[in-house]
Amino acid sequence: QKEVEQNSGPLSVPEGAIASLNCTYSDRGSQSFFWYRQYSGKSPELIMFIYSNGDKEDGRFTAQLNKASQYVSLLIRDSQPSDSATYLCAVARRSNAGGTSYGKLTFGQGTILTVHP
Amino acid sequence: ETGVTQTPRHLVMGMTNKKSLKCEQHLGHNAMYWYKQSAKKPLELMFVYNFKEQTENNSVPSRFSPECPNSSHLFLHLHTLQPEDSALYLCASRSVGLADRNEQFFGPGTRLTVL
Repeated sequence: QKEVEQNSGPLSVPEGAIASLNCTYSDRGSQSFFWYRQYSGKSPELIMFIYSNGDKEDGRFTAQLNKASQYVSLLIRDSQPSDSATYLCAVARRSNAGGTSYGKLTFGQGTILTVHP
Repeated sequence: ETGVTQTPRHLVMGMTNKKSLKCEQHLGHNAMYWYKQSAKKPLELMFVYNFKEQTENNSVPSRFSPECPNSSHLFLHLHTLQPEDSALYLCASRSVGLADRNEQFFGPGTRLTVL
């Protein structure tokens, strides 16, 4: 089983629709969850992070976390062609007792999203 | 310069060459990372430096040699690479602390081609 697995793509949605990106993880010790967006030929850009169960909204983006199901998702409302990119899910374990950690992120393979006009 | 910068942006080298990749962060962070991104594979963590000390070596072959002279600079020295080492090499940085949320910021990457 892969440590972090994302729904297979590519995902194609029409402009204005909701794009739903899913991610599951295997390590129950995971505490921090991140969504990165990567345009073709560019580096990953952090767009959302979530640490607590439930929903977190930021503009057109909503991250949803369910630790019991080991599942995290990203919803993009009113999708725009400029949202077309690869979306990477990343997961980190909790910090150590001293409050710091060496910050190992485990990434999924990414989901390619295409928003067509 | 702002954020995380990497040089060169593109590099073509032969298997017998020696080259170095450079990363510099201007964010005041104290942890730096090297990642490898190959086509159709997840981002792979290679090395982690916290406060200039290497804290993770993710089973990386010895033909890759990292160096972190200070908390702002990170190098990846390359020698006798193989064609399968061709990939995008990404540097990232982060601020480690009590309020640490493990948010990492990436540089633009170096596209490496080994002939």
